[in-house]
Amino acid sequence: QKEVEQDPGPLSVPEGAIVSLNCTYSNSAFQYFMWYRQYSRKGPELLMYTYSSGNKEDGRFTAQVDKSSKYISLFIRDSQPSDSATYLCAMSPMNRDDKIIFGKGTRLHILP
Amino acid sequence: GAVVSQHPSRVICKSGTSVKIECRSLDFQATTMFWYRQFPKKSLMLMATSNEGSKATYEQGVEKDKFLINHASLTLSTLTVTSAHPEDSSFYICSAKLGDYEQYFGPGTRLTVT
Repeated sequence: QKEVEQDPGPLSVPEGAIVSLNCTYSNSAFQYFMWYRQYSRKGPELLMYTYSSGNKEDGRFTAQVDKSSKYISLFIRDSQPSDSATYLCAMSPMNRDDKIIFGKGTRLHILP
Repeated sequence: GAVVSQHPSRVICKSGTSVKIECRSLDFQATTMFWYRQFPKKSLMLMATSNEGSKATYEQGVEKDKFLINHASLTLSTLTVTSAHPEDSSFYICSAKLGDYEQYFGPGTRLTVT
C-alpha cells in the first residue's frame, strides 16, 4: 500500500457545486497535512495546512482531517472555473527532518 | 510572504551542454530546499534535498553527478543539469522550507534539450 493515495481524476463538476477532494494514508505518524493547488505549467501553491485532526476553514475552502480513518478532505464551496487545477494533498510526521509526502494529485475541472 | 522564485522559467539547450537553474527564497531564509521533477500530467518526483552549507541528499535513482546541487546561502539553491540529453527535458520545480513543515514552491523551469 502506498503511503498516500489520491484519485487522479479528472473530476468534472458544474460551476457553483461543492467539490470534495480526498486522500487516504497509511502512516499513522503523519501529523501535519497540507493541500496544494497547481495550475498547468506552474509550481504548486500552498492552499491550506492543518495539524492533527479537525477542520480548518479559509474562505470557500475547508480542510478536514480524520486521523482515526486516516482520511483527509478538501471542500470547495461555490466552485468557480478559476478553481480548475490539480490539487495535491501532502503530509508529514512531526519530525521536522522528515520529508513531506505528496499524493499524485486530482485534476479538477469546473464547468461554466 | 513566502515567495520562491526560479530562474530561468524556460530554457532550451543543445544536447551535451549544461544548464543551471536557480531557486531563491525572496522573503525568508530556507535552510532546506528541495528539487522536484514533473512530467506532463504526472505527480511531483522528489530528486534531492538541498541543505545550506552541506551536501545534498539525493533520492534513489537520481544521479548526483548529473544533477549537481549547490546550496551556498540561506536564500539560494542551484541545480545544474550536466551533459544534458533529450530525456532530461522536463519541468523542474524547487521548493523552500519555511519553519518546520511548510513548503513553498517556485514557479518551475521548463527545460527542453534538443
